[in-house]
Amino acid sequence: EVQLVESGGDLVQPGRSLRLSCTASGFTFGDSAMGWVRQAPGKGLEWVGFIRSKGYSGTADYAASVKGRFTISRDDSKSIAYLQMDSLKTEDSAVYYCTRAIRVRGKYYLDYWGQGSLVTVSS
Amino acid sequence: QSVLTQPPSASGTPGQRVTISCSGSSSDIGSNTVNWYQQLPGTAPKLLIYSDNQRPSGVPDRFSGSKSGTSASLAISGLQSEDEADYYCAAWDANLKGVVFGGGTKLLVL
Repeated sequence: EVQLVESGGDLVQPGRSLRLSCTASGFTFGDSAMGWVRQAPGKGLEWVGFIRSKGYSGTADYAASVKGRFTISRDDSKSIAYLQMDSLKTEDSAVYYCTRAIRVRGKYYLDYWGQGSLVTVSS
Repeated sequence: QSVLTQPPSASGTPGQRVTISCSGSSSDIGSNTVNWYQQLPGTAPKLLIYSDNQRPSGVPDRFSGSKSGTSASLAISGLQSEDEADYYCAAWDANLKGVVFGGGTKLLVL
């Protein structure tokens, strides 16, 4: 059974940093791309970014709203994906979901989702 | 503002058939497949339809998806009270190298 468990969510002041972790199980993590999606309170889903598997370069791409501030990385030996969030803003407050991204002919879609981790940015 | 356009709400009575639309552009829906997610209150989204019209294992065949050009639709037949949820469409956008979402449609079962 595929499981994705996020951790690390917290209350943090604007301008500070926070790192979320996503621990995966039930599938071959190293062969999978991993994505992050966020949802502000009462709002819709927003793409944050994703990281490809090492077999497909292992590089990451980001939404314009977080590019340059957020970094996605992975540790295949531990089956963990990370979302490093720097220079946090109040508008980054959201539930952050870790997802598995399935590659189909060079494009991706998200199949499994974690339960989410709440990040609140406030002074 | 979301890239893909969905109606904010939809409703139906038990047993009815409802459809939810999703409109995009040539760079997203027009050139990539569409996926649909169901988000029950207080829970994480769940994949409902992938590759325009495919159901993951365990999703009832009451749910179906279709696509034409730059628009897609989710149909739910035999509506049940437990279908009351938010529904999101999504598609890959090659220009953005990321997934774009619709704003979500809140389905009410009257």
